[in-house]
Amino acid sequence: GAVVSQHPSWVICKSGTSVKIECRSLDFQATTMFWYRQFPKQSLMLMATSNEGSKATYEQGVEKDKFLINHASLTLSTLTVTSAHPEDSSFYICSALPDREETQYFGPGTRLLVL
Amino acid sequence: DQQVKQNSPSLSVQEGRISILNCDYTNSMFDYFLWYKKYPAEGPTFLISISSIKDKNEDGRFTVFLNKSAKHLSLHIVPSQPGDSAVYFCAARKTGANNLFFGTGTRLTVIP
Repeated sequence: GAVVSQHPSWVICKSGTSVKIECRSLDFQATTMFWYRQFPKQSLMLMATSNEGSKATYEQGVEKDKFLINHASLTLSTLTVTSAHPEDSSFYICSALPDREETQYFGPGTRLLVL
Repeated sequence: DQQVKQNSPSLSVQEGRISILNCDYTNSMFDYFLWYKKYPAEGPTFLISISSIKDKNEDGRFTVFLNKSAKHLSLHIVPSQPGDSAVYFCAARKTGANNLFFGTGTRLTVIP
């Protein structure tokens, strides 16, 4: 149980285009999901907290207009990187918090390369 | 400001011996701690957690110890196996919050 999927696992895009990443909890409901970013040889940095049915909460320094988050159902959250630039190239990981539990479960991550 | 710190970027241990991974934190509001294991290009996998009301939690080969006065926790793996080779992240959560603060990770290599 507690499986989280992400799609796509790899994406290469041209500068200026938008990319959507999906995060799904496969066998549980998650009112709350999280989006992280990891730079090479660094820790996971929380970008935003996604709550089903309401606006996401963004961490300081994260542009909400750049990283659009939609949590339309209890099993799906999406992150859209708008007008992507090479500096947005990174490893993006989502996690989901099962309702009434304390442990977050992570997806496998999405590697984004912006050319 | 790194509130969760893992000061050892790497650790090598012989198969069968004990691996001890350390983590320090600065925020006294943290009340729940977790250890995750991560392989390259994959998401972290949950290993074990501990609440601040406990000082030890054990699950098979994995034991986490919490020393609140020292703001220190450690993960013990015994016996270590080659399949344990990965990056281990310590994470902490504040009272009343859901988001996690991660350490920078320790790369464990278990030598056969």
